[in-house]
Amino acid sequence: DAGVTQSPTHLIKTRGQQVTLRCSPKSGHDTVSWYQQALGQGPQFIFQYYEEEERQRGNFPDRFSGHQFPNYSSELNVNALLLGDSALYLCATNRKIPTYEQYFGPGTRLTVT
Amino acid sequence: RKEVEQDPGPFNVPEGATVAFNCTYSNSASQSFFWYRQDCRKEPKLLMSVYSSGNEDGRFTAQLNRASQYISLLIRDSKLSDSATYLCAVNRDQGGKLIFGQGTELSVKP
Repeated sequence: DAGVTQSPTHLIKTRGQQVTLRCSPKSGHDTVSWYQQALGQGPQFIFQYYEEEERQRGNFPDRFSGHQFPNYSSELNVNALLLGDSALYLCATNRKIPTYEQYFGPGTRLTVT
Repeated sequence: RKEVEQDPGPFNVPEGATVAFNCTYSNSASQSFFWYRQDCRKEPKLLMSVYSSGNEDGRFTAQLNRASQYISLLIRDSKLSDSATYLCAVNRDQGGKLIFGQGTELSVKP
């Protein structure tokens, strides 16, 4: 049973560039949430996708956008990167029904220089 | 004030000790509660969901106190391998956004 997978593992970008991160959910999961984790902090919720629509959004600017595909995988896009976007980006997946426990992928470590 | 707050830590304990973490939440509409464990530079791993009646998994016991709006995690007979950061998380709608505390670091020494 494959767990949550994310790609790439690490990424280095320059300020102002754009980045796309990818997430494939655990088998049987249909909901994908994205989180940003800065060093020494707990993960912060970015948004959640279910049935290919953004269902909930945290306090992140419009530079952060996403997409969910029919196979439930998801992408996170960040435009106009800032130094402060450097963080570990985690996706977590769950089934909407009947359980709701979220399982995390290994994350993508993004460094913006 | 943050919506979810944890003991600041770090906790440094000897092997075999019992250690307890507390986590308070401010929104009474919170419905679901979890403890995650996160090793250095790794993803959070679900340790336990926390039920109203409390639950136990081996050396780990989680409790929920809705009246006082806190959850706790007790680790008995600590092992070196328990060294990690422990994150509590709550959400207001099942399956929705998780709100995390800042984490409490545990270091178990020989």
